[in-house]
Amino acid sequence: NAGVTQTPKFQVLKTGQSMTLQCAQDMNHEYMSWYRQDPGMGLRLIHYSVGAGITDQGEVPNGYNVSRSTTEDFPLRLLSAAPSQTSVYFCASSTGLYNEQFFGPGTRLTVL
Amino acid sequence: GQQVMQIPQYQHVQEGEDFTTYCNSSTTLSNIQWYKQRPGGHPVFLIQLVKSGEVKKQKRLTFQFGEAKKNSSLHITATQTTDVGTYFCAGLENNNAGNMLTFGGGTRLMVKP
Repeated sequence: NAGVTQTPKFQVLKTGQSMTLQCAQDMNHEYMSWYRQDPGMGLRLIHYSVGAGITDQGEVPNGYNVSRSTTEDFPLRLLSAAPSQTSVYFCASSTGLYNEQFFGPGTRLTVL
Repeated sequence: GQQVMQIPQYQHVQEGEDFTTYCNSSTTLSNIQWYKQRPGGHPVFLIQLVKSGEVKKQKRLTFQFGEAKKNSSLHITATQTTDVGTYFCAGLENNNAGNMLTFGGGTRLMVKP
């Protein structure tokens, strides 16, 4: 099993550009989530999904969209990148919130 | 909304010294999880605590969940250089709408050999 995979590993964008961060898991997990990690601020939840076709907002959803058309994939879209979105983005999956969260390797995003 | 605070933010220790990080929630938690993130890596699950007053051990690591289920601690005995990293707690709020894990800001542990 590959676990949770994320692409790309690194990305540089210009302000106003859009892009999609990819996340996939092969563990048949229902729960998937996206976090951003900024220095000294821990992990903040952007969006999450409790199953295919169901998504909801987390703590910091503005500027991001998600969809969950399959159990395996949970892409995160940046609509119009801003410097404030410079961060490390982690995708995670699990069988539920009461269980271990499996994190992907992360995407380091810089917005100029 | 729910807030989870962790202290200290940073801790430098000499190899062999003990280390403790504390996690405090503004609301009662149904469970708390602990993760370790090595420098440049991703968070990796360590343990989950569910019961009031629960204590769990993993070799040199001891995890506690407070009686009121609003705080938790991680204690490492006789630190080693392999313990270097950032330790995060993550709590699930104890209400019917609790669908989000809230992470603390983390404690970064540095160990001098």
